[in-house]
Amino acid sequence: SQQGEEDPQALSIQEGENATMNCSYKTSINNLQWYRQNSGRGLVHLILIRSNEREKHSGRLRVTLDTSKKSSSLLITASRAADTASYFCATPAAQKLVFGQGTRLTINP
Amino acid sequence: EAGVAQSPRYKIIEKRQSVAFWCNPISGHATLYWYQQILGQGPKLLIQFQNNGVVDDSQLPKDRFSAERLKGVDSTLKIQPAKLEDSAVYLCASREEGGTNTEAFFGQGTRLTVV
Repeated sequence: SQQGEEDPQALSIQEGENATMNCSYKTSINNLQWYRQNSGRGLVHLILIRSNEREKHSGRLRVTLDTSKKSSSLLITASRAADTASYFCATPAAQKLVFGQGTRLTINP
Repeated sequence: EAGVAQSPRYKIIEKRQSVAFWCNPISGHATLYWYQQILGQGPKLLIQFQNNGVVDDSQLPKDRFSAERLKGVDSTLKIQPAKLEDSAVYLCASREEGGTNTEAFFGQGTRLTVV
């Protein structure tokens, strides 16, 4: 399956703490993408990491990719209430874009 | 640049009725996706178009769901007849042509409630 699977399913932390979520996949990839979905909204692309990259940063986001373990992690530093959302990874192949069940992140004030 | 437009935002119908959703992708985007997202789950890919041709519809329940993309631009997704389990958010997304190293852009979705 091309689908990525996120872990944990749910994560609840205090504002200001860091949040880490993981994604595992099964097939070879060209790239891996992370998306965020706020309640009642569509998905928003956060970051794309190519298969030849090991780490990528975007603002408070840090993504790592380990192709030998077929896994990726998304770290959100200094979390804010606005980061409360579901986070999905996707491993596109042949233009197909398939998502897992996501990680539901809750930031408590 | 304008985003992916979907309408309507909300729809309530009775079971066995029909319903149609509309999507206008970002101009120039060759790839268009329809997803079904049941509450608490991830988006499930229903159908993928490349221009006006179907690339993948393996998870589309073809006995009741149909989709078309006229002239490779706008797309409609239809359900006829609807069942209670079709209650979900239907998301449309589009993407540039030319490889997999591009992001997808999503619309706000249509929330369907079947009663």
